[in-house]
Amino acid sequence: RKEVEQDPGPFNVPEGATVAFNCTYSNSASQSFFWYRQDCRKEPKLLMSVYSSGNEDGRFTAQLNRASQYISLLIRDSKLSDSATYLCVATLAPGNTGKLIFGQGTTLQVKP
Amino acid sequence: EAGVAQSPRYKIIEKRQSVAFWCNPISGHATLYWYQQILGQGPKLLIQFQNNGVVDDSQLPKDRFSAERLKGVDSTLKIQPAKLEDSAVYLCASSSPLGTANTGELFFGEGSRLTVL
Repeated sequence: RKEVEQDPGPFNVPEGATVAFNCTYSNSASQSFFWYRQDCRKEPKLLMSVYSSGNEDGRFTAQLNRASQYISLLIRDSKLSDSATYLCVATLAPGNTGKLIFGQGTTLQVKP
Repeated sequence: EAGVAQSPRYKIIEKRQSVAFWCNPISGHATLYWYQQILGQGPKLLIQFQNNGVVDDSQLPKDRFSAERLKGVDSTLKIQPAKLEDSAVYLCASSSPLGTANTGELFFGEGSRLTVL
């Protein structure tokens, strides 16, 4: 079983739609969680952190459910520029040497 | 502030040949990572350095891959001999002194795209 699992998609949605991505992690000892964004043929970049209490940044909302080992990302009012691959990430160790484990990524295509 | 520098950007070699990739992290970043990203997959950690020491190399195929960070700054990843399945983008990343568990932020270079024929 993969340590971090995501539905690869692609998710094809019209502009203005709300779309949600899910991610599960297998190691209950995972400490911290993040969403990264990767544009086509570019490097990944941090989108946002994920907290148990939920985390909102503009149109983006991330949620963590430790009991179910489940992470989500909600994008409201999708823009064409949101088209990218979204990578779910978990760290397995506390402290400054935290190892980041990436999921496969979920591809989003926003259509006009 | 300068980002993570990697070279070469592209490399095409035949199987059984060797190749080396270079990375210079962001100044002051003690932790350096090499990830392998195969098309359609997420990045997979190959090796993690803290200064010039190895923190994790559990997924590095040590029979053909090697990496070093001799002076705790820049790093080299070598593949010898290369196999077809090594075709991928090799991403170097570094993290701030606060660490990834606190900020979650890895700063990636643009990557080195390897094609093995």
